[in-house]
Amino acid sequence: QVQLQQWGAGLLKPSETLSLTCAVYGGSYGFSDYYWGWFRQTPGTGLEWIGEIKGAGSTNYNPSLKSRVFISGDTSKNQISLRLSFVTAADTAVYYCARRIGYHYYMDVWGTGTTITVSS
Amino acid sequence: QSALTQPRSVSGSPGESVTISCIGTSSDIGAYNYVSWYQQHPGRAPKLMIYVVIKRPSGVPDRFSGSKSDNTASLTISGLQAEDEADYYCCSYAGNYTLIFGGGTKLTVL
Repeated sequence: QVQLQQWGAGLLKPSETLSLTCAVYGGSYGFSDYYWGWFRQTPGTGLEWIGEIKGAGSTNYNPSLKSRVFISGDTSKNQISLRLSFVTAADTAVYYCARRIGYHYYMDVWGTGTTITVSS
Repeated sequence: QSALTQPRSVSGSPGESVTISCIGTSSDIGAYNYVSWYQQHPGRAPKLMIYVVIKRPSGVPDRFSGSKSDNTASLTISGLQAEDEADYYCCSYAGNYTLIFGGGTKLTVL
């Protein structure tokens, strides 16, 4: 049973960099059919796809966030990380990591979510 | 890339059926059969209910069904139960390795 555990600093000031990590438990991190993604959710805008990584390699990003986002993967630790730079209040949200099935574009396993608040 | 369009809320009585629509474009829902639906209870992570338009993951009741016509996908919940009360989100592949979501629909079981 795959489980995703995520963590990171919850309170940031404007212009700082958001940093989150998601650990994959269950031994499927390196499987070729899986992508590991980041999502966020705000009351006003619902769910939003941020981006994803396959293993420690190829990445895809939401065009609206691409200039500020970096997703990396560590295959030795079965972890993925998200960095979002120059945060503003608009980046306040609950952030989730999730496993995406590569060939059918759906997310079947989700992390528990991390609340990120950006405030001066 | 604009979000998919969902009704803000729907409601139904126990035992009834409800359908939640998800309107996209010819570049997302209309172009691919990669529509998925997620159920989310307050304070919880989303849960996959439907994938590739019509398929149900193991463990999801067959009261939940999905369909698609042109640029619109739909989630139908039949035989409503109290535990179905939640937010529901549609999601579609939008080309160029990107995903978009709908704004979410709050289902109230009366």
